Amino acid sequence: AQSVTQLGSHVSVSEGALVLLRCNYSSSVPPYLFWYVQYPNQGLQLLLKYTSAATLVKGINGFEAEFKKSETSFHLTKPSAHMSDAAEYFCAVSGAGGYQKVTFGTGTKLQVIP
Amino acid sequence: GAVVSQHPSWVICKSGTSVKIECRSLDFQATTMFWYRQFPKQSLMLMATSNEGSKATYEQGVEKDKFLINHASLTLSTLTVTSAHPEDSSFYICSARPRDRVTDTQYFGPGTRLTVL
Repeated sequence: AQSVTQLGSHVSVSEGALVLLRCNYSSSVPPYLFWYVQYPNQGLQLLLKYTSAATLVKGINGFEAEFKKSETSFHLTKPSAHMSDAAEYFCAVSGAGGYQKVTFGTGTKLQVIP
Repeated sequence: GAVVSQHPSWVICKSGTSVKIECRSLDFQATTMFWYRQFPKQSLMLMATSNEGSKATYEQGVEKDKFLINHASLTLSTLTVTSAHPEDSSFYICSARPRDRVTDTQYFGPGTRLTVL
């Protein structure tokens, strides 16, 4: 079984400041990990994914995440927040390999203050 | 590439009626599609996994007779909410996994907002 815990349902940052969204996972098998972004009334867009290759994963829109097995974490970061980054972010986990069910975290709403 | 569409994008219906939502993979074939529902300010909850040519696999607590899923082709899955009630009002999102991918990349549709009066 897998699960993810996202710490902080709401995060506020100033425009230009560092974005850090926290995600810890639990998995009985080697995991695949994902970050998705959702804008209001829209579906989910994949930001990045970890599939057991490089532990530092770079995604779209300047986001990156680092897989830390010792800490069971997969935190999402961006050096400088932009107003367009304001959205809901979901961390997700699945078992490694194809056709495994994906389990989503509860989401973190990012607010960017001008 | 890897675009998933949903139709309709929103629907309002009366209590007791049935509503069909379509999920299409536009530029790839998907042997597996997933249906999620999302309540306001909550995460996505997997309802069922739809495999082309076979019966859908429903998650625990999801009524299969109420949420009918048909995956008739490699590019189309439909979700029918039968005898809809106000508590079925939600945001329904589908996703599709390309048949030639071994990693777990799912491509999500834009969602369908269902409001039952």
